Parts: sequence; C-alpha cells; structure tokens
Amino acid sequence: QVQLVESGGGVVQPGGSLRLSCAASGFTFRSYGMHWVRQAPGKGLQWVAFIRYDGTKEYYADSVKGRFTISRDNSKHTVHLQMNSLTTEDTALYYCAKASPLDDWGQGTLVTVSS
Amino acid sequence: EIVLMQSPGTLSLSPGERATLSCRASQSVVSDDLAWYQQKPGQTPRLFIYGASNRATGIPDRFSGRGSGTDFTLTISRLEPEDFAVYYCQQYGSPPYTFGQGTKVEI
Repeated sequence: QVQLVESGGGVVQPGGSLRLSCAASGFTFRSYGMHWVRQAPGKGLQWVAFIRYDGTKEYYADSVKGRFTISRDNSKHTVHLQMNSLTTEDTALYYCAKASPLDDWGQGTLVTVSS
Repeated sequence: EIVLMQSPGTLSLSPGERATLSCRASQSVVSDDLAWYQQKPGQTPRLFIYGASNRATGIPDRFSGRGSGTDFTLTISRLEPEDFAVYYCQQYGSPPYTFGQGTKVEI
C-alpha cells in the first residue's frame, strides 16, 4: 500500500533553514506529481508547493515563493522541501501528499520556528 | 490565485440529519477540478470527493458532491456519528492549488 513518510522537521530560529524529506513507497513514484501541504496549530490546510512527476515544473504558494524550493529524486523515491528564511508564520505540521487530487497523505513532520 | 470560501464555518446537526456544505470560488475552477477532504482531530486529511462529484475509493454513497464553475456543494444525506469532522474543499485545476478555510460539522 502507499506509504509517505516525512522527516526533517524540528525547531529552528527565525531566519533559519530546514530541509524536509518525504520517502515514498507502494506506488510508481516517478509517475505522480507530489505536493507539500501545511497546517498551523489549530488552523486549516494550506497548500505549499507541487512538483510534476518528472521534476520539470514546480509551483508555489505566494507566501513561500522565493524562500522554499521543492525537488524530487525519482531514483530514491523521495521529495524534498528546502525552506529558507523561515518566520514564525511557517510554524506548522508539514504533510507530503501524492497526486492531484491529493489521494494519499503522510503523517506529517512538525516545523517550529521560534527564538 | 483562486480564493475558495466555505460556508458555513460551523454546522451543528444531529445524527440522521442532512448536511449541506458550500464552497464558492473567486473564479471558475478549471475542468471542475474541485476536491473535498475530511479531517478528524489528530488525523491526516482524507480525500472524499474529486472532480466535483466523484466519490473516492471507499467513500459511502451518503456523500455526494455537485457543482461546476464557481459554486460547489458537498452533501451528506444522513449524518452518521463518524461523519462529524472538518471538511475542506480544494481546487487543483490551476496553481496555486488553494484550499478553503474548512467547515466543521459538529453535533
């Protein structure tokens, strides 16, 4: 069955960086686009970024454009989210999710931006 | 960017009642690529409806979606205890792939 396992979350100071990873299994990874979605504590879902199945196109939410970069390695079945210039507004649980619509989700990795 | 507005914010109903959730888009959703997700406390979101009206695998037929263009509806014909949750709509037709703010269905 499909498994998506996020990692790389943690506590970081404002202005800092983190790199999230999502390890995928149970499906033909190279055939599907992948998303990152976040959820701040007690808040709703916010779409963050998407990368096409072949890595040739990326899209970002305005709130992260220029600071976050999504990438993927089809040989290792992983998708990454490089997050730079973090602010307290980026504190959230970050999910990776498969395909459009988002039909499978990981359990998420928590990012806390705090001084 | 397409802004999705969900209403009402909270729906207070009893088991057996009918629930109607609305999702209105600020511009037309491309190809009616509109999905609904359910999220229960402490759980990950789950896809319920895609393409505005198609039930995802394993979703019971008391859930139905309809609409096109800018106006979409999720209906739960008879609420079961496990249906009390937060429901989000999302458009995935044109980036950025925005979510609505959610509707909480509570007892």
